[in-house]
Formats: sequence, structure tokens, C-alpha cells
Amino acid sequence: EIVLTQSPATLSLSPGERATLSCRASQSVSSHLVWYQQKPGQPPRLLIYDASNRATGIPARFSGSGSGTDFTLTISSLEPEDFAVYYCQQRNKWPLTFGGGTKVDIK
Amino acid sequence: EVQLVESGGGLVKPGGSLRLSCAASGFGFSSYSMNWVRQAPGKGLEWVSSIISRTESIHYADSVKGRFTISRDNARNSLHLQMNSLRAEDTAVYYCARDGYPNGDYHYFDSWGQGTLVTVSS
Repeated sequence: EIVLTQSPATLSLSPGERATLSCRASQSVSSHLVWYQQKPGQPPRLLIYDASNRATGIPARFSGSGSGTDFTLTISSLEPEDFAVYYCQQRNKWPLTFGGGTKVDIK
Repeated sequence: EVQLVESGGGLVKPGGSLRLSCAASGFGFSSYSMNWVRQAPGKGLEWVSSIISRTESIHYADSVKGRFTISRDNARNSLHLQMNSLRAEDTAVYYCARDGYPNGDYHYFDSWGQGTLVTVSS
């Protein structure tokens, strides 16, 4: 099973600041890495697929990068609605696995 | 508009069974692989099972293999999860989720239902 480790567990930032979230895989997942955003009481929302492709309707301030085992989700300038939990997921090999999440909260 | 509506959750005793359903609308259901993902209270996401559109092949997480069965009814645009021998650790919100692209093995989730809560407790 591919283990995804997200860091940091919590990121405390102010609106307008840049957020950099990390996801590291225990073995290569090629570019098959996905990012989701989840707010309390809501299902997850797809942000980025295959490491760097923004999903439909996702603002340009969200970007993804990386390949192999190291991936980054960047939010260039945090908006109030971006404070949430972010999960990565690998789709390279069964079983599909998620990281433990990074909570971005307001400083 | 894509809609996924789960039902069938509730309170069940350890060792009991439940059948979850997901009613899909707004897209060509039979063309998409479909998935179940769960989230224990206050915890992260855990993939549970997938059923692939083209091949009808099925995959399960080790934690549910042999106890859960995924199925689909393309004529009724519905997805199901039969859960047997339930344990306390199966307590979670169960989400139905659509694959990100039709007619392929993409295994990321672009549309999600609101979830149904399953509580396993005596």
C-alpha cells in the first residue's frame, strides 16, 4: 500500500498569504496525485488532478506541482473561503490511498 | 447538474448488516466508474471500494474485503454497498463519488454526494 504523508498537519496563515502544502508518497505514483479541499459538514471538492491540472471551476490561485514521490499544492493568495482541510490522494495503484490531511486555519 | 444522493445509513449493532444506496442523476451513469469513500468522525478520508464502468471489475480496501459488496444497477442509475459483519471501526460517513472521466480507469473523484452516516454500536 502506498502511504501518503502530508505536512504540515496544520498551517496557520492570514488572508492574502501564500500557502504551501506538501504530500510525500512512500513510492513513486508518477503524476497520479490528486488534491481535494474539504470544509466542515461538506463532502470533499476536487481541486487538482494528475499533479497539476486544475479541475473545472477551480480558481487560478490554486496550483499543483511535483512528480514521483514529492508533490506540492500552492495557494498563491489565501481568500477567506480557502480556510479548510486539504487532502492528497494517489490513483497510481490499488488500493487507492489518501493522505492524513493538512488543515489551513486563520492565524 | 450531477447529483449523487446516498441513503440507507443508520444505527446498527456490531455484527449487523446495512445496505447503502446512491441515486445518480444528471450524467450518463453507466459510462462512469463509481466509488465509495468513508470518513470516520473527526478523521480523514478512506477509500472503500470501486466498480469500474467498462469492465465491471471491482476493488476493495483490505479493511472491508470479504465483508462489503459493491454493485451497480445501470438501468436504475444506482450504486449500492452491502455491508455485513459490521464493526465499530466501520462507523463513518459514507460518500458515493463519481470517477473524474467516463469510460476509463481514472480513480479520482470529481463529484461527491453529501454522505450517509453509519453508526455501529451496541
